[in-house]
Amino acid sequence: EAGVAQSPRYKIIEKRQSVAFWCNPISGHATLYWYQQILGQGPKLLIQFQNNGVVDDSQLPKDRFSAERLKGVDSTLKIQPAKLEDSAVYLCASSLGGFYNEQFFGPGTRLTVL
Amino acid sequence: AQKITQTQPGMFVQEKEAVTLDCTYDTSDQSYGLFWYKQPSSGEMIFLIYQGSYDEQNATEGRYSLNFQKARKSANLVISASQLGDSAMYFCAMREGPYNQGGKLIFGQGTELSVKP
Repeated sequence: EAGVAQSPRYKIIEKRQSVAFWCNPISGHATLYWYQQILGQGPKLLIQFQNNGVVDDSQLPKDRFSAERLKGVDSTLKIQPAKLEDSAVYLCASSLGGFYNEQFFGPGTRLTVL
Repeated sequence: AQKITQTQPGMFVQEKEAVTLDCTYDTSDQSYGLFWYKQPSSGEMIFLIYQGSYDEQNATEGRYSLNFQKARKSANLVISASQLGDSAMYFCAMREGPYNQGGKLIFGQGTELSVKP
């Protein structure tokens, strides 16, 4: 079975520019998560989708971050405009959706904001 | 308030020896799940082991076991017979609700394990 796919793997941008990340979850997984992992810290949830609806976006900086999940499958996370403190690894994860179901993580996108 | 605490920023272990990575958690929920993930330098998060709050026996997966002490709110990971490939960051995480929508993971700060030959 194919895992969670993310692209790009690496991205370098200047502050105030915009950037978008793409995630394709495991087929059939209803729940999709975006996490932000700043260097030296554990991942922090940004947004959680159940199918194409948002379950939790309480920690998403909505003035600059946006995310969507089209047709309940692929998802994109956008940052506009980027700040220096947005430099991090952005991890996408998916699960079948039950409470005890394991979350499978993608390889992540490493963003550097200069 | 921090919900997952990993007090060991870094640990060293000799190859073939066992090592315990500490994790304490804080929750008022009766139903919750505890996870351990491994993150090598390549960056992917690899699921290791899961313990449900109602599970009476400690979880085991190959060389990994979870020492679950509910009253003390601790969920320590034990790696037996360490291998060089075990060198990585290890994260403890707790799943919180909404329970019917997959929940979300709250991660600790991580412990960097180095296995010495």
